[in-house]
Amino acid sequence: QITVKESGPTLVKPTQTLTLTCTFSGFSLITSGVGVGWIRQPPGKALEWLALIYWDDSKRYSPSLKSRLTITKDTSKNQVVLTMTNMDPVDTATYFCALKPVAGSFDYWGQGTLVTVSS
Amino acid sequence: QSVLTQPPSVSGAPGQRVTISCTGSSSNIGAGYDTHWYQQLPGTVPKLLIYGNTNRPSGVPDRFSGSKSGASASLAITGLQAEDEGDYYCQSFDGSLSVVVFGGGTKLTVL
Repeated sequence: QITVKESGPTLVKPTQTLTLTCTFSGFSLITSGVGVGWIRQPPGKALEWLALIYWDDSKRYSPSLKSRLTITKDTSKNQVVLTMTNMDPVDTATYFCALKPVAGSFDYWGQGTLVTVSS
Repeated sequence: QSVLTQPPSVSGAPGQRVTISCTGSSSNIGAGYDTHWYQQLPGTVPKLLIYGNTNRPSGVPDRFSGSKSGASASLAITGLQAEDEGDYYCQSFDGSLSVVVFGGGTKLTVL
């Protein structure tokens, strides 16, 4: 059984750095072709892909947010961490972690964590 | 503005068939990258509905089907049910930017 869970602060102040952790089980990030991604969804709005890290440690970032994002993995802990710098109220959203098996789809999603940016 | 274009909304009566389009370009769907579809019912997490253009994960009813032609993909839902009401998103990969791309989502209303 595959499980995915996001963790991190629910409230951050403008200009602060957000650090989110995705912890998963039943899924191996050392298998060739697999990846773990982050997707966010502002309240009432569409899904927005943020970042993806592959089994070989290659990384992809949303072009519009690339300068603010860093994604890393710890395969020994089955964790992927996303940091986003210089947070702004417009970054208020539910942040999802999702697992990508060898194919290109995100097959398994966490429940999401709502992050509010406010002073 | 999303790289993949979806209609903001579609609607249909129970039992009817609806389709949701997802229009890309020569750098994503048109380049041969697969399209995947997600269903997000109100207040829930997105769920994979169709992967690899036409494939249904285990447990997804065969009322849902996907297709692809050129730089566009489509999701068809037959025998509409009230519980199908929600948001639907397409997703692919853009080879020119090497990034994942989502559509802007389509709200399905069952009349």
